[in-house]
Amino acid sequence: SQQGEEDPQALSIQEGENATMNCSYKTSINNLQWYRQNSGRGLVHLILIRSNEREKHSGRLRVTLDTSKKSSSLLITASRAADTASYFCATLPLLNKFYFGSGTKLNVKP
Amino acid sequence: SQTIHQWPATLVQPVGSPLSLECTVEGTSNPNLYWYRQAAGRGLQLLFYSVGIGQISSEVPQNLSASRPQDRQFILSSKKLLLSDSGFYLCAYHGWGLMAGELFFGEGSRLTVL
Repeated sequence: SQQGEEDPQALSIQEGENATMNCSYKTSINNLQWYRQNSGRGLVHLILIRSNEREKHSGRLRVTLDTSKKSSSLLITASRAADTASYFCATLPLLNKFYFGSGTKLNVKP
Repeated sequence: SQTIHQWPATLVQPVGSPLSLECTVEGTSNPNLYWYRQAAGRGLQLLFYSVGIGQISSEVPQNLSASRPQDRQFILSSKKLLLSDSGFYLCAYHGWGLMAGELFFGEGSRLTVL
């Protein structure tokens, strides 16, 4: 990819379990964002964490950022079938350039 | 409110034919505009971005071009399509103010080149 890589590529869990996906990136960044994409649709912004932040919460989402390791993680707690989607991290290493990873495909089984 | 429209939603074109995908944004002025391509089951590849009318930056050499004839209009074109141009094309814009740092995406245009 042009900048980031998500891990794992695919994740299958039962409803109610937590889902954790990771993102690694290559260069210094201004911020890191996570997006969700339902099959065949556009991406929807979930959460943004700035380079000087270490952790951020939004509802059932928890994002961490470790700039020394150039990595981030997205935790979805108490997953629901409706959380089934692909999740992408995006970085903004340079002004005006958003780079996306290859995504984690999450399947939450009811 | 801010919205983004992208069309057509689906397109099937023969090899060698021209292409025009259009994207328009409402509710914001002077947005940064982006075209991404997504191969099946893959991530997003940044193709072009624009910071203003007539200002286009290309990320990768390819068979495509982009134009921004108006502040809130972004067009992706090709004179002669290749099989490798097939994919899901996404237009996005960068908001400012309270939503600074967030990309808003259109619903995408699925192009199949036969």
